[in-house]
Amino acid sequence: AQTVTQSQPEMSVQEAETVTLSCTYDTSENNYYLFWYKQPPSRQMILVIRQEAYKQQNATENRFSVNFQKAAKSFSLKISDSQLGDTAMYFCALNNAGNMLTFGGGTRLMVKP
Amino acid sequence: KAGVTQTPRYLIKTRGQQVTLSCSPISGHRSVSWYQQTPGQGLQFLFEYFSETQRNKGNFPGRFSGRQFSNSRSEMNVSTLELGDSALYLCASSSASATSPVEQYFGPGTRLTVT
Repeated sequence: AQTVTQSQPEMSVQEAETVTLSCTYDTSENNYYLFWYKQPPSRQMILVIRQEAYKQQNATENRFSVNFQKAAKSFSLKISDSQLGDTAMYFCALNNAGNMLTFGGGTRLMVKP
Repeated sequence: KAGVTQTPRYLIKTRGQQVTLSCSPISGHRSVSWYQQTPGQGLQFLFEYFSETQRNKGNFPGRFSGRQFSNSRSEMNVSTLELGDSALYLCASSSASATSPVEQYFGPGTRLTVT
């Protein structure tokens, strides 16, 4: 069985600053994908960034980047130049078989003006 | 392309009733997955359908069932509703073909309240 753990239930950051959200996971598979999803108050789950396990290079999408440490089974999300619209729940998720996403418990991020 | 759509968006039912939720995936996506989101249990996988066949199933009782049609639209059904079934039900679609994991795109969800 696979597990995903997010150890930070809540975080806050000042607008324009940088914040890092942590995620650790456990799986016995070699072929898997990791994702960060954002869920704003509207409840629509939005894909932020994805990382293929076989790729050593960390994924980057504009202000969002990840630090993927495969041996440590760690997958953190860095948000640079935080904006008010980044306020949301952030979920780390693992997909290693078909389409069964395993989610972490989420981190509630508040961006303060 | 239009995104994943779910109907209805909100639903109120009484204990013991049954309910059917609908999901239309992104055009061209053949895989549809369903998730239940509650404050206590978080996001939990219900089941996944691919080409009208249930391919994966989560740890939920038999009261939860689903199906997929030839146009990839999917429905999930919950029979004999319990108060604990109150949740946000999310549908996600993906372009996954065989067993390679890929990203999923989510719909806006159906908020089910059981009274």
